[in-house]
Amino acid sequence: GAVVSQHPSWVICKSGTSVKIECRSLDFQATTMFWYRQFPKQSLMLMATSNEGSKATYEQGVEKDKFLINHASLTLSTLTVTSAHPEDSSFYICSARAGPNTEAFFGQGTRLTVV
Amino acid sequence: GQQLNQSPQSMFIQEGEDVSMNCTSSSIFNTWLWYKQDPGEGPVLLIALYKAGELTSNGRLTAQFGITRKDSFLNISASIPSDVGIYFCAGRLSSGTYKYIFGTGTRLKVLA
Repeated sequence: GAVVSQHPSWVICKSGTSVKIECRSLDFQATTMFWYRQFPKQSLMLMATSNEGSKATYEQGVEKDKFLINHASLTLSTLTVTSAHPEDSSFYICSARAGPNTEAFFGQGTRLTVV
Repeated sequence: GQQLNQSPQSMFIQEGEDVSMNCTSSSIFNTWLWYKQDPGEGPVLLIALYKAGELTSNGRLTAQFGITRKDSFLNISASIPSDVGIYFCAGRLSSGTYKYIFGTGTRLKVLA
């Protein structure tokens, strides 16, 4: 399958600071990338869908001003958690796909801990 | 957010046994997928199903796309210790953002 890489794998930050997570498709061009959040022992909850060159589509209840998503190129999307708080601590996972009728491949995830 | 219901929620089995799990939805999907997630990792695609009634295998794994398009099943034959993990089903929408709706997950533990 195609390779999707996330960076960093884990990050610890202080409350009130911002953290940026990168998602890269290494061997294909991703027209769409998805960002998920996963709490312990729970399923993946979609936060937003981003298409290259356009604004992200956020799911209901997800604050777009807090979770900034940028999909500036066909191989890179970033998620920035602004003014992070301890309740933002979670496992964040991205996935990327080449087109609407192709399947998405997942990154390895980023463990965010806000202290 | 919307989720698909998976059962069982968790299961302990002996090595060598067969495993069955299912996923149900109140909505119709035209694409069903099964993923496996290891601890601290992202999900890995196991099987994708595109046609109602379709039965697809990937090694010891077999998945079926329910005829009503509202459910799917995953079977694992002759389980081995490395099968341990969380299995998620997902339905892919056929319009809009073509996003995925994930199931609640089945946690599998294999006893050697």
